[in-house]
Amino acid sequence: EIVMTQSPATLSVSPGERATLSCRASQSISSNLAWYQQKPGQAPRLVIYGASTRATDIPARFSGSGSVTEFTLTITSLQSEDFAVYYCQQYYNWPLYTFGQGTKLEFK
Amino acid sequence: EVQLMESGGGLEQPGGSLRLSCVASGFTFTTYNMSWVRQAPGKGLEWVSYTSLSSSTVYYADSVRGRFTVSRDKAKNSLYLQMNSLRVEDTAVYYCARVGVVGEFDSWGQGTLVTVSS
Repeated sequence: EIVMTQSPATLSVSPGERATLSCRASQSISSNLAWYQQKPGQAPRLVIYGASTRATDIPARFSGSGSVTEFTLTITSLQSEDFAVYYCQQYYNWPLYTFGQGTKLEFK
Repeated sequence: EVQLMESGGGLEQPGGSLRLSCVASGFTFTTYNMSWVRQAPGKGLEWVSYTSLSSSTVYYADSVRGRFTVSRDKAKNSLYLQMNSLRVEDTAVYYCARVGVVGEFDSWGQGTLVTVSS
């Protein structure tokens, strides 16, 4: 099983600032990585796939980077609606998907 | 607009059974692989099951293999999850998700809560 590890568990950032979330895979997954946003009481929403491609209707302030085992989700100029929990997911070992444990992005 | 609507959740005793449904609309259901993902209260996301376009290929997480069965009905644009021998640790919100072109989950339902308790 490919283990996905996210850091930090909680990230406190002020609106308008930049947030950087990390995700590490236990083995190479090439660029087969997605990021999801989940707000309280809501279903997850796809943000990034292919490590760096924004999903439909995702604002340009969201960007993804990385490959092999190290990945980053960057959100510039944080808006109030961006505060949520973010999960990374590998689909390299499709369809035996695995998720990271999540990073909570909270208001500072 | 792509929509996925789950139903069938509820309270069940350990050892019991439940059948979850997910009705799809706004896209051609027969051209997408589908999955189930669950989330225990206050916890992260856990992939549960996958089915190919025609259900010819199905996969399960180790935690549910042998107890859960995924299926789909193209005539009803529906995805199902038959859950038998339920355990307390199966308590979670269950989401159905559409598998996108490269394997990502590009659309999700709103989820249905399954509670297993005596």
